[in-house]
Formats: sequence, C-alpha cells, structure tokens
Amino acid sequence: NAGVTQTPKFQVLKTGQSMTLQCAQDMNHNSMYWYRQDPGMGLRLIYYSASEGTTDKGEVPNGYNVSRLNKREFSLRLESAAPSQTSVYFCASSVTFEGELFFGEGSRLTVL
Amino acid sequence: DAKTTQPTSMDCAEGRAANLPCNHSTISGNEYVYWYRQIHSQGPQYIIHGLKNNETNEMASLIITEDRKSSTLILPHATLRDTAVYYCIVKYSNKLVFGAGTILRVKS
Repeated sequence: NAGVTQTPKFQVLKTGQSMTLQCAQDMNHNSMYWYRQDPGMGLRLIYYSASEGTTDKGEVPNGYNVSRLNKREFSLRLESAAPSQTSVYFCASSVTFEGELFFGEGSRLTVL
Repeated sequence: DAKTTQPTSMDCAEGRAANLPCNHSTISGNEYVYWYRQIHSQGPQYIIHGLKNNETNEMASLIITEDRKSSTLILPHATLRDTAVYYCIVKYSNKLVFGAGTILRVKS
C-alpha cells in the first residue's frame, strides 16, 4: 500500500498563476484533509472533507478551493497564487473524523 | 476552544526516558488528547491518543492527570531517531489544530 500520495512534490509558480495539488489515498479512509506548514511553525488546516461529498473550511481557507473527487482523491486548487502561499502542503486521511491521521510526504510550493 | 501549551524545546540523553509535558487546561470532557511527531520535514506521524486513562503502545506511554488539564508523553528509551518536533493536540471545533510543538533533541 502506498498510503497517502501527493503530487507534485515540488512546484515553483509565478504570482497569479494557478495550480492544483493532487492527493490520493488507498486505505479506504472516509476523511481527508489539507494542511499547510510555514517555516518554523506548526501545521494549519486549510480545508477538510469529513466524508465523500462534503467539504468544510479549516483555519486558513482564503485563496484555496478543494474538490473531493471521490472517496480516494482530494485536490487543493490555488486559483491565483500569491507569495504568501509559499509553504509546504500536507494531505492527510483518516478512517473516521475522530481517527488517527495518516499524512503524505508533502508538496513544497514556492510562489515568486 | 481547547488549546495546548508545550515547552519550545527539550534535550534528552540517548537511552533515557524522554518526558514531554503538555498543558490543556480548557479541555472539554469528551475531547481526546493526541500526540504526533514530525521528523525533519516529513509528514507528521501519529504516536498515541487518550481520553482519561493512561495509554501505552509500542511507541510511547501517555499519562493524563486526573483533572485532564495536563498530560505527559513518555518515550521510555529515547534513541537518536526520536529527535523530532512533538505536537500535543486537542481537537478544536472537531478539527485537529497543531501548535508549534516541542523540539526534542536526543543526544548521545
């Protein structure tokens, strides 16, 4: 099992460009999450999906959109990237909303 | 909202027990305490969680005070590979909210 897979692992964007971060899990988990981590800081929740067909805002949703494409996949879209969105993005999943989170290896995004 | 307070950093000698404290004085009666760790820039790794009783698994032990206002994560025999940032988390509005964590440095 691959667990939680994120693509791409690295990306450089120019201000104003758009892109989508992809996340897929093969553990049949119901809940999925997107976090961002800025240097020297803890993780902050952007959006989450408690179950297929639902999405909700986390702490820092501005500038992002998400899609729970199916039970396996949860994508994060930046419509117009800004330098403040330079960060490492982590996707995670859990069996239930109360359960242990399994994280991907992260996607490192730089916005110039 | 239940938030946590942890020391910024701690050192521990290799082979000794590492005791990482966490204060969560505003925790609600049905909120669990979770511990995760992050090694280098990898994705965080789940360690353990508990509600009221002490918990133990193959990685660590979790001691929660009777009033549930604080807890301690114990790594019984720390190794160099346990050097990481350790996060103590209580769910806030049904979401896991990470703080800054404790940097644990295990030294030989």
